[in-house]
Amino acid sequence: KNQVEQSPQSLIILEGKNCTLQCNYTVSPFSNLRWYKQDTGRGPVSLTIMTFSENTKSNGRYTATLDADTKQSSLHITASQLSDSASYICVVNWETNAGKSTFGDGTTLTVKP
Amino acid sequence: NAGVTQTPKFQVLKTGQSMTLQCAQDMNHNSMYWYRQDPGMGLRLIYYSASEGTTDKGEVPNGYNVSRLNKREFSLRLESAAPSQTSVYFCASSEGIAKNIQYFGAGTRLSVL
Repeated sequence: KNQVEQSPQSLIILEGKNCTLQCNYTVSPFSNLRWYKQDTGRGPVSLTIMTFSENTKSNGRYTATLDADTKQSSLHITASQLSDSASYICVVNWETNAGKSTFGDGTTLTVKP
Repeated sequence: NAGVTQTPKFQVLKTGQSMTLQCAQDMNHNSMYWYRQDPGMGLRLIYYSASEGTTDKGEVPNGYNVSRLNKREFSLRLESAAPSQTSVYFCASSEGIAKNIQYFGAGTRLSVL
């Protein structure tokens, strides 16, 4: 069964600190991996999307990495801000099932002043 | 610049009642999706429409029907609501299937009593 597992489940950090969120997947064959940010009460918003050949992709203070050999991805947040408090969701697309994605349960990040 | 608009934002139903959740996008996207999100769980795909005139089942289609009314609109219908369908429902759209960024609506919070 295709699975996406994220860790940690929740994380609390102080404003200005860095953090790294993890995503391990067993989806095969692989098409692409996406990271979304979901604020409380809102829909998810795309941060990055990476295909098999991409190892790193940045979006401002967010940097995603992908190791397709070990089936691991990480999302690194630099110099955290209070507005980074949200749920971060890892999503993996199956190449042979167009339109079908496997979503992780998300990591809830809380940034405190 | 509305993006993806969902109506209603909130709804309370009694068991056995029916209702239709509406979704419209103004980005001229070909593909549209319906997801549900339960507390502490990842989003799960209910149905998707790769292009106007086509619909396909996702991971959890039982108890739901969809209609791709035109390129802009994709509705989700609950024919006989059950308490297990209490959830937050998200509509999303993308330029194409699978490899494109999905843009999400703000969600519909449904309670079935």
